Amino acid sequence: KQEVTQIPAALSVPEGENLVLNCSFTDSAIYNLQWFRQDPGKGLTSLLLIQSSQREQTSGRLNASLDKSSGRSTLYIAASQPGDSATYLCASNSNSGYALNFGKGTSLLVTP
Amino acid sequence: DVKVTQSSRYLVKRTGEKVFLECVQDMDHENMFWYRQDPGLGLRLIYFSYDVKMKEKGDIPEGYSVSREKKERFSLILESASTNQTSMYLCASSVTGAGEAFFGQGTRLTVV
Repeated sequence: KQEVTQIPAALSVPEGENLVLNCSFTDSAIYNLQWFRQDPGKGLTSLLLIQSSQREQTSGRLNASLDKSSGRSTLYIAASQPGDSATYLCASNSNSGYALNFGKGTSLLVTP
Repeated sequence: DVKVTQSSRYLVKRTGEKVFLECVQDMDHENMFWYRQDPGLGLRLIYFSYDVKMKEKGDIPEGYSVSREKKERFSLILESASTNQTSMYLCASSVTGAGEAFFGQGTRLTVV
């Protein structure tokens, strides 16, 4: 079964900093890797999807990379803002199954 | 925009009650999923469905069943609610095994 790990579990940064969130997975035979944002008490919002044939995806201030050979993905957030404060989750589905396997998330706090 | 709608944001039920959680998606997705999310445990897959009337057990199916009579609707059933089923329940859908997953807003279920 795919195991997904996110480090760090929590992160606090001042506004304006660039930051990197890390995600590792054990099975490199993945269909895709997806990054989500979750606000307290809410559902998950999809941020970026990287297909297994891709190396990175960008949306606004967010950039996600994928290195299947090392089993790693990173989410880069440029010029962080207090509104970026949330929990960020990564998930992948291996080509042996339909469902996403999730990490436990990184709780991000951006202070003004 | 893809929309996944869960019938309730908050539910309070009594031990032993039969509970129905409903999820509807409007994008003709083949795959639908039910997860539960608990502090420290992350998101865990309960059941998923890859077609009408088709279902597969996830990691924690005990105490739950599902129904998918129409493509757009996926129901989670707690046959006899217990206090250890108090949790956040999240429904998701995706177009294919490698497709982007979209989540509903979540249902916070409390069993007393």
